Amino acid sequence: SAVISQKPSRDICQRGTSLTIQCQVDSQVTMMFWYRQQPGQSLTLIATANQGSEATYESGFVIDKFPISRPNLTFSTLTVSNMSPEDSSIYLCSGQGNEKLFFGSGTQLSVL
Amino acid sequence: AQSVSQHNHHVILSEAASLELGCNYSYGGTVNLFWYVQYPGQHLQLLLKYFSGDPLVKGIKGFEAEFIKSKFSFNLRKPSVQWSDTAEYFCAVREDTGGFKTIFGAGTRLFVKA
Repeated sequence: SAVISQKPSRDICQRGTSLTIQCQVDSQVTMMFWYRQQPGQSLTLIATANQGSEATYESGFVIDKFPISRPNLTFSTLTVSNMSPEDSSIYLCSGQGNEKLFFGSGTQLSVL
Repeated sequence: AQSVSQHNHHVILSEAASLELGCNYSYGGTVNLFWYVQYPGQHLQLLLKYFSGDPLVKGIKGFEAEFIKSKFSFNLRKPSVQWSDTAEYFCAVREDTGGFKTIFGAGTRLFVKA
């Protein structure tokens, strides 16, 4: 089974700044996804991270706000840009392998 | 678009009680169905999955789920819960085509009293 390492595990950021979250998988996965889990809510899919090309975003999420990179099969980054308090959430990286999703421990982001 | 509905947001049970968590989805095509669990302080992990075949699937720790296609349901059950089952449970649906993205329900927080 894949192990996903995500960092930072938490951060407190000022309004208007940006934060980049890194996700490293210890083995190749076919697909990587980024989710957001807001307080008391479920996981919402932000985008599918595509290797070597632009990510595929879900409705309500745009590249300018959440630029994503995936330069190879085992690494991806998500940037939360121009942050506002509404971006406070847990951001989760996941990888698709062996018919199921593997998850990182998440990044708990608080925006002041 | 797909959606997943979980009927209960919070459930409190005593040990040895039976558990059933409801899950309904909306999608007209072929889907794969999952239950994920998040124990306190741990990552999300797979509890069980259904792809095809026997609609009654068994997962880890004595959990099972039944896929009823006509009702678009995939309810999770356990005959006798334990204190260690305290966790948050998420029903999830994945399209069997194209993007293979997985959509999650709102989650059910289960608290089992010892």
